[in-house]
Amino acid sequence: KNQVEQSPQSLIILEGKNCTLQCNYTVSPFSNLRWYKQDTGRGPVSLTIMTFSENTKSNGRYTATLDADTKQSSLHITASQLSDSASYICVEPSFSGGYNKLIFGAGTRLAVHP
Amino acid sequence: EAGVAQSPRYKIIEKRQSVAFWCNPISGHATLYWYQQILGQGPKLLIQFQNNGVVDDSQLPKDRFSAERLKGVDSTLKIQPAKLEDSAVYLCASSLVGSMNSPLHFGNGTRLTVT
Repeated sequence: KNQVEQSPQSLIILEGKNCTLQCNYTVSPFSNLRWYKQDTGRGPVSLTIMTFSENTKSNGRYTATLDADTKQSSLHITASQLSDSASYICVEPSFSGGYNKLIFGAGTRLAVHP
Repeated sequence: EAGVAQSPRYKIIEKRQSVAFWCNPISGHATLYWYQQILGQGPKLLIQFQNNGVVDDSQLPKDRFSAERLKGVDSTLKIQPAKLEDSAVYLCASSLVGSMNSPLHFGNGTRLTVT
């Protein structure tokens, strides 16, 4: 069964600190891996889309890494800000049952405290 | 560019009542998706349209849920009759094409509470 699992489920850090969120996927064959940020009460917003040939990709203070051998991805947030408080969702496309589908993880809820 | 527009933002209904949500995707986006997001979970696909045709509705509870995209632009999702377990955020998303490499753009959702 194609799955995307994220850890930790929730995380609290102090403003200015770094953190790393993890994503393990079982989807095969691999197409790409996406990270989304979802603020409370808002829709998810794309942070990065990583293809097979990319093992690291940055978007400002967000850096995503991909290890296709171990089927793991991580999202590293540097010098966290209060506005980073959100859910971070890992997403993997899958071809299943004749359809292309996006498999969403349950997300990591990050709280940045002053 | 204007984003994906959804309305209403919030809706509270009693079980067995009906409700409808509206979505206007980004102009020119051929593919439109409706997702259900239960609190603490990732979004779950309900239905995917390519222009005005249904691509995937395998996870849509068709006994109570229906959706249409008549002119290939905006779309409505209806629940009739609603159940308590339908309480969730209903997200609409669009993409330029329906390939798995095309980024999705989400609206801010409609939060439905069924009492």
